Amino acid sequence: DTGVSQDPRHKITKRGQNVTFRCDPISEHNRLYWYRQTLGQGPEFLTYFQNEAQLEKSRLLSDRFSAERPKGSFSTLEIQRTEQGDSAMYLCASRPTRGGETQYFGPGTRLLVL
Amino acid sequence: AQSVTQPDIHITVSEGASLELRCNYSYGATPYLFWYVQSPGQGLQLLLKYFSGDTLVQGIKGFEAEFKRSQSSFNLRKPSVHWSDAAEYFCAVGDAGGTSYGKLTFGQGTILTVHP
Repeated sequence: DTGVSQDPRHKITKRGQNVTFRCDPISEHNRLYWYRQTLGQGPEFLTYFQNEAQLEKSRLLSDRFSAERPKGSFSTLEIQRTEQGDSAMYLCASRPTRGGETQYFGPGTRLLVL
Repeated sequence: AQSVTQPDIHITVSEGASLELRCNYSYGATPYLFWYVQSPGQGLQLLLKYFSGDTLVQGIKGFEAEFKRSQSSFNLRKPSVHWSDAAEYFCAVGDAGGTSYGKLTFGQGTILTVHP
C-alpha cells in the first residue's frame, strides 16, 4: 500500500492556459474523489468516480473542468482556460471497494494561476 | 444538506496543556464523522472516525473524539499537546448513502499553534 499519489505537486501557469493533474489511487480502491481547497477553507467536493464511471459532479465543476478515469485506475482533472480564481490545492482521495467509508487523501496539487 | 461548523478558526495552547477542538454538524440521519489533520502544504491525514457504536472513539497520536447526538457535536480532544501537533485540523461529515456516494463535507478548519 503506497498511498494515493498526485502529480505534479505544484503547478504555476498563466491565465488562459490549460492544465492537467493526475491522481493514482490506492490500488484496490475503486472509488475516487476530487476536492478543491482554497486558502483558509476546508476542502470542497468536486466529483466522484466509481470505477470508470463519473457518478456525481459538484456545481463547482464548471464547464472548463473535466475529469476522467478511463480504465478505472488513475484519474485526470483538466482545467481549460485557467482563471486566477482557479488557484487552489486540488486533492484526490480514494476509498475501498468494500468494508470502509474512510477516504484516503493524496498530497495534493497546488495550482497558482498568474 | 449536510454542513459542518468549526467555531474556532485559531487556537493557541502551551505544550503539555490539554486541547479540545469543537465541531458541530448538521445532517438528517446518523452521520459518518471524521477528523483529519493537515500540515502546511500537505494532504489530509485521518486522525479518527465515527460510524456507529461506542460514542468515544480513539485515534492516532493520542487523540480522541466524542460523538454527542443531542448536541450534534463531535469534539476532538487530547490530554497533553506536543509541539508536533501544530497543524490545521478539519472535521468532516460523510453521507452514508443515498445518491451522494459518500462525499465529505468539511468544516472551515482550526489552526492549532503550540507554544513551548
